[in-house]
Amino acid sequence: NAGVMQNPRHLVRRRGQEARLRCSPMKGHSHVYWYRQLPEEGLKFMVYLQKENIIDESGMPKERFSAEFPKEGPSILRIQQVVRGDSAAYFCASSPPAGNSYEQYFGPGTRLTVT
Amino acid sequence: AQSVSQHNHHVILSEAASLELGCNYSYGGTVNLFWYVQYPGQHLQLLLKYFSGDPLVKGIKGFEAEFIKSKFSFNLRKPSVQWSDTAEYFCAVNSPYSSASKIIFGSGTRLSIRP
Repeated sequence: NAGVMQNPRHLVRRRGQEARLRCSPMKGHSHVYWYRQLPEEGLKFMVYLQKENIIDESGMPKERFSAEFPKEGPSILRIQQVVRGDSAAYFCASSPPAGNSYEQYFGPGTRLTVT
Repeated sequence: AQSVSQHNHHVILSEAASLELGCNYSYGGTVNLFWYVQYPGQHLQLLLKYFSGDPLVKGIKGFEAEFIKSKFSFNLRKPSVQWSDTAEYFCAVNSPYSSASKIIFGSGTRLSIRP
């Protein structure tokens, strides 16, 4: 059973460009979470999605950031007009659809560098 | 506000020394507690978790943690560390009653083991 997959693993963007980060949850998981880890800091929750629904986006910056988890395909975290401060590691996690959803399984992360 | 505090940012030990990493949380109500480890260049892995029951929890690789409700603490321990334990350790918490079970992470403790 493959784990949570994220791609790309490393992404370099110039200021003003768009970044698209993809996350494929574990097989059978329908809950996806995105976290951001700034240098020398812990992970900060950004958004929680289920298929075709955003459940909690309380950690998302108000502008330039969006996330989706379509019926088919991976979850996408999209950052428009990137700035240097967006440079970070972005981690995706997934959990099963019902019952014990407390444990989240993390992907390897995408390291975004904005030049 | 919900928060997790890890008081030690960087701990340096010699091999075979005993380890205790502090973690305190601020969270209204019942909590689930976690310790995650991030080895250099790798993604987060779950070391151990507490949901309910015995407050002394045993995890992988010889780690254990004790939940002390009166102190709002969940300290991580290992009696004898190895060089391979060099990593970043994150304490985390979430609510078993929230439909959006986002995890709140501490800022992490970097553990360096001298061979």
